[in-house]
Amino acid sequence: RKEVEQDPGPFNVPEGATVAFNCTYSNSASQSFFWYRQDCRKEPKLLMSVYSSGNEDGRFTAQLNRASQYISLLIRDSKLSDSATYLCVVNSPYYGQNFVFGPGTRLSVLP
Amino acid sequence: NAGVMQNPRHLVRRRGQEARLRCSPMKGHSHVYWYRQLPEEGLKFMVYLQKENIIDESGMPKERFSAEFPKEGPSILRIQQVVRGDSAAYFCASSPPGDHEQYFGPGTRLTVT
Repeated sequence: RKEVEQDPGPFNVPEGATVAFNCTYSNSASQSFFWYRQDCRKEPKLLMSVYSSGNEDGRFTAQLNRASQYISLLIRDSKLSDSATYLCVVNSPYYGQNFVFGPGTRLSVLP
Repeated sequence: NAGVMQNPRHLVRRRGQEARLRCSPMKGHSHVYWYRQLPEEGLKFMVYLQKENIIDESGMPKERFSAEFPKEGPSILRIQQVVRGDSAAYFCASSPPGDHEQYFGPGTRLTVT
């Protein structure tokens, strides 16, 4: 089983739609969780950290379920500019700050 | 505050040559990470360094690849005797001590001909 798995995608949604991405991780000792977005041929950019209590930033909501080892990202009222690949990132507990990236889920928001 | 800097942005090497990729972390960041992304694939961790120390190199190929982060100057990822399979985007990220959020540079796209 891979350390971090994500919905395979791609997701093609109309503007204004709500879309949810799922991510599971295998190592129960993982401590930190993040969502990054990556535009084509660009570097990953931090979207948001994911906290145990869940957190919201505008149209974006992230949830963490430690018992199920599951992370989610919800995007409401999607915009054309949300089109990107969304990467679930989990830290490796063995060396503190070593990140493990999921394969990513590609989102295309259509006009 | 400048972000993470990488140079060169594009690098072309013939098979058998050496490639040197440079990364200057954000000001105040003492942790540097290198990742490789093959076309149409996800990011793969290569190495994690602090100043003058390699903390985790579990993702580095055993041969031809090396990394350093000297006391002064940028971090260097060095690939000796490059092969076509080394063609990829190489991203560097940095973070401050005690903070798990990593910030990425624009990457170096290596093409081996």
